[in-house]
Order: sequence, then C-alpha cells, then structure tokens
Amino acid sequence: AQTVTQSQPEMSVQEAETVTLSCTYDTSESDYYLFWYKQPPSRQMILVIRQEAYKQQNATENRFSVNFQKAAKSFSLKISDSQLGDAAMYFCAYRRGGGADGLTFGKGTHLIIQP
Amino acid sequence: DTAVSQTPKYLVTQMGNDKSIKCEQNLGHDTMYWYKQDSKKFLKIMFSYNNKELIINETVPNRFSPKSPDKAHLNLHINSLELGDSAVYFCASSQVSGRSLKGVAFFGQGTRLTVV
Repeated sequence: AQTVTQSQPEMSVQEAETVTLSCTYDTSESDYYLFWYKQPPSRQMILVIRQEAYKQQNATENRFSVNFQKAAKSFSLKISDSQLGDAAMYFCAYRRGGGADGLTFGKGTHLIIQP
Repeated sequence: DTAVSQTPKYLVTQMGNDKSIKCEQNLGHDTMYWYKQDSKKFLKIMFSYNNKELIINETVPNRFSPKSPDKAHLNLHINSLELGDSAVYFCASSQVSGRSLKGVAFFGQGTRLTVV
C-alpha cells in the first residue's frame, strides 16, 4: 500500500521569506502523480501544484515549486516570497497513474506566516 | 458556476438518525469520490465511482453507502449515525482517462457533520 509522510506538523516563516515543506512517499508503482493541496481556514481544498512521475522537470506555479527526487521518493514544496494568504494546512498527496484510485494524503503541515 | 458542489455545508443530527449528503459536479469528469477528514485533519478516501461502478471501498462501515444516479452526482447516505461519524466529508471529482489534468481532484467545500 502506498504511504505518504509529512514529518513537519507545523512550520513558521516570516512574510516574504522562503519556506520548504517536506514530503516522502512509498510506492512500488512507476506511473503515479504527486500533488500539494492547500486547505485554508475556509476548509476548501485547493490544488497548489501537480507533478507527474514520468516528468523529470520539477513543476512550478508562480511562487510555488517542487523538488521531486524520484529515486529518494521525496517531493518537497518550496514557497517563495511567503504571503499572509499562504497560511494554511498543506497536504502532500499521491495517486496511482492507472485506474480510478483516490488520493492518499499525508497528515499535513500547518504553515504559519509571521508578519 | 461552482465546479463541485455539496450540500449541506453543515449538518447537526442525533445519534441513530439517517442522513444524506449530496454532491454534484459540472466538470464532465468520469470519476467521483468521497473523503473523510477527521478531527486531526487527516483525509482518507472512502469511495470512488467510475461510470456508475464502485471502484474502491476503503474499510468503511456498511452504514455508509454511496449512490450515483448519474455521472454528475454522487450522494452519500449514512444510516444509524454514531458519535464517531462526526467529521468533515468532502466530495471530489477527477478525470482519470485522457491526459489533460489527469488525476487532479477537484473538491467540494466539505460538509461538517456533527452527531450529538
């Protein structure tokens, strides 16, 4: 079974600084997807970034980028120029490539932005 | 024009009651899901439906049953509610065939269920 581990229950960063959230996963599949979702206090689950395992290039979305290390099964999220609106729970998630499987989530990291 | 909508947003009910949560998606996706988020924020898949067929049922009590009248709807029925069922339930949808945004799950706003 796939597992996703987020070892940082909580992280704090100063506004405008850079922060990296860690995620490791375990799978025997070769075709899979990795995601970071953000959940602000509003409870809405918002996709931050997506990475396909067959792509070597790290995904980027504006201030958000990932460091995807396939051999190490590591998928960290870097947030540059942190903003107050980035404060939220961040969930790392895994999904097998084929079939209709749902997402396997990590336990989340609570990100605090210090003004 | 909400992509995935679920109702109600909040639901307070007594133990032993039967309740339903409705979910609709207008994205044309082929797969829908129900997730449970517990009090510690942990999210776990409960069900997924693809082409009106149940694909996954993750050790969920049979008091929970998904019902899909069509590809755009996946409702969650819960019988004989227990205190431990209190949680936030999320509906989601994704397109698992094709390559465009494949695998990305779009979530509803969640339903906070409180059993008293």
